[in-house]
Amino acid sequence: EPEVTQTPSHQVTQMGQEVILRCVPISNHLYFYWYRQILGQKVEFLVSFYNNEISEKSEIFDDQFSVERPDGSNFTLKIRSTKLEDSAMYFCASKGGAYNEQFFGPGTRLTVL
Amino acid sequence: AQKVTQAQTEISVVEKEDVTLDCVYETRDTTYYLFWYKQPPSGELVFLIRRNSFDEQNEISGRYSWNFQKSTSSFNFTITASQVVDSAVYFCALSEDLKAAGNKLTFGGGTRVLVKP
Repeated sequence: EPEVTQTPSHQVTQMGQEVILRCVPISNHLYFYWYRQILGQKVEFLVSFYNNEISEKSEIFDDQFSVERPDGSNFTLKIRSTKLEDSAMYFCASKGGAYNEQFFGPGTRLTVL
Repeated sequence: AQKVTQAQTEISVVEKEDVTLDCVYETRDTTYYLFWYKQPPSGELVFLIRRNSFDEQNEISGRYSWNFQKSTSSFNFTITASQVVDSAVYFCALSEDLKAAGNKLTFGGGTRVLVKP
């Protein structure tokens, strides 16, 4: 069964460093998302991406964040200068059509020291 | 603005007991979609069900059942004859107007279910 994959599973970085989280959505999907979950808290929307552009972003998704779909398979989230409060689990999701459900990847746990 | 509330933060049951998870939502849209996701201890988010606002018919899938009541803005989830493998955090989520390219999911705070043998 097709699934969303994410790498790495765990990333440890120093405050102020740039990190890139990678996602490979399900191959024929058209809509892509990033969410984050701070430990023990709810899952929060960061950004949605469709037709090679951001369609919506949350207040969390400030100038330090960017997304890119550099080729036909990868979907990346970049944090330019990480802060301690960026420590969280980051989930990528994709869906095939507007009325379909979102399928989530296993997540990348980001730890900022 | 949309909001999802899961008032129960944690529920503990003994195996074979039934457990009902409450979900109350707020939205201004007349068209919206409700979801339940399961997050087992391994951390991934597993899709369980999607319902649209026009379909209030209750649904049963094996030991899982869902009760959607528009009049009370609730979309409750029941696990019948719970098993240890049902131990997880369960999230209710809402999405408005799936035609819109954004159509993000707004999640509730989650309910942790612990099923003891």
